[in-house]
Amino acid sequence: GQQVMQIPQYQHVQEGEDFTTYCNSSTTLSNIQWYKQRPGGHPVFLIQLVKSGEVKKQKRLTFQFGEAKKNSSLHITATQTTDVGTYFCAGPGNNDMRFGAGTRLTVKP
Amino acid sequence: DTGVSQNPRHKITKRGQNVTFRCDPISEHNRLYWYRQTLGQGPEFLTYFQNEAQLEKSRLLSDRFSAERPKGSFSTLEIQRTEQGDSAMYLCASSPLGGVTDTQYFGPGTRLTVL
Repeated sequence: GQQVMQIPQYQHVQEGEDFTTYCNSSTTLSNIQWYKQRPGGHPVFLIQLVKSGEVKKQKRLTFQFGEAKKNSSLHITATQTTDVGTYFCAGPGNNDMRFGAGTRLTVKP
Repeated sequence: DTGVSQNPRHKITKRGQNVTFRCDPISEHNRLYWYRQTLGQGPEFLTYFQNEAQLEKSRLLSDRFSAERPKGSFSTLEIQRTEQGDSAMYLCASSPLGGVTDTQYFGPGTRLTVL
């Protein structure tokens, strides 16, 4: 069945450094969504990408959807302590939503 | 509207007992999802409803799990004869439109601990 994989599993950065997490699907996706989960919190929707090669920006966050619509990335420029959390990508399966295992980001002030 | 709510927030039970969780979605959201999340993992899909109809159920879900959404409003998830492996965070999410690709709004979750 469809699998959604994310790397790295963990990333620890110094405040001000950049951060990137990568998402790969075993099958072509109609769209991909990104969520952020703060420690002790629940997943919160960040963005949805639909088009092949699409790039969207939200302030310091840049999201990209691959040309083949099987991979995606999230890049954060100049991380801040407020960026701490786990970032999940998710793609639709046959009749469900498949989440990756997430990349846990910690930021050292 | 204050978002998706779930009750209880925490549940501790002994192995073999039955538990029931409740989810109240955002008003007028016609899709409701249940997920299970364990430490270090992403949400794992369990089941979803469109209005009152249960349209999909994960093959990973044993017969001990059952979910209902009477009248297409709130939903309940029941686990019978709980096992220690059922310990997890149970998340509910709702979405406003009919497609599986719609944005999902998650509730705070119910943390289940089975002793």
